[in-house]
Amino acid sequence: NAGVTQTPKFRILKIGQSMTLQCAQDMNHNYMYWYRQDPGMGLKLIYYSVGAGITDKGEVPNGYNVSRSTTEDFPLRLELAAPSQTSVYFCASSRQTSGSGEQYFGPGTRLTVT
Amino acid sequence: GEDVEQSLFLSVREGDSSVINCTYTDSSSTYLYWYKQEPGAGLQLLTYIFSNMDMKQDQRLTVLLNKKDKHLSLRIADTQTGDSAIYFCAESPGSASKIIFGSGTRLSIRP
Repeated sequence: NAGVTQTPKFRILKIGQSMTLQCAQDMNHNYMYWYRQDPGMGLKLIYYSVGAGITDKGEVPNGYNVSRSTTEDFPLRLELAAPSQTSVYFCASSRQTSGSGEQYFGPGTRLTVT
Repeated sequence: GEDVEQSLFLSVREGDSSVINCTYTDSSSTYLYWYKQEPGAGLQLLTYIFSNMDMKQDQRLTVLLNKKDKHLSLRIADTQTGDSAIYFCAESPGSASKIIFGSGTRLSIRP
């Protein structure tokens, strides 16, 4: 299993540009998550999904959109990028939210908006 | 609301024990976790403890939970250079799809 994969690893955007961060998992997990990690801070939940076709907002959803057309993929879309979106973005997945609820993380995408 | 707090930095000598502390606010937390993040990588679950336990040991790792004080600690025995990382405390309050992370404690090892 590759686990959780994310592309790209790095990206520089100009203000106002758009892009999609890709995330895929091959563990047949129902639950998937997008977090951002700012320097010296913990992870903030952007969006999450409990299954294909179902998404919901997390703590910091403004400026982002997601879709979940398949179990495997959970892309994160940035429209009109702003400097405040400079961060490291992590995608994660889990088998369930009850039980131990362990989340498996991808390696992250480092995004800079200038 | 839910909040998880930890100190930002800890420095220990190689071979000593490291103790990383965390406090949380949600008394309904079901699971409490310790995640490890190595440079340039995502988070990886180290260990977790169920809220009805007060201690869990796994090789060099010992987790202590004081539910009354909402205090969680992670002890790493015989700390090695490979233990250098950021350690995140996290809680699951039991509501759907939510894990609340602390800001992380950066552990550095002195020779």
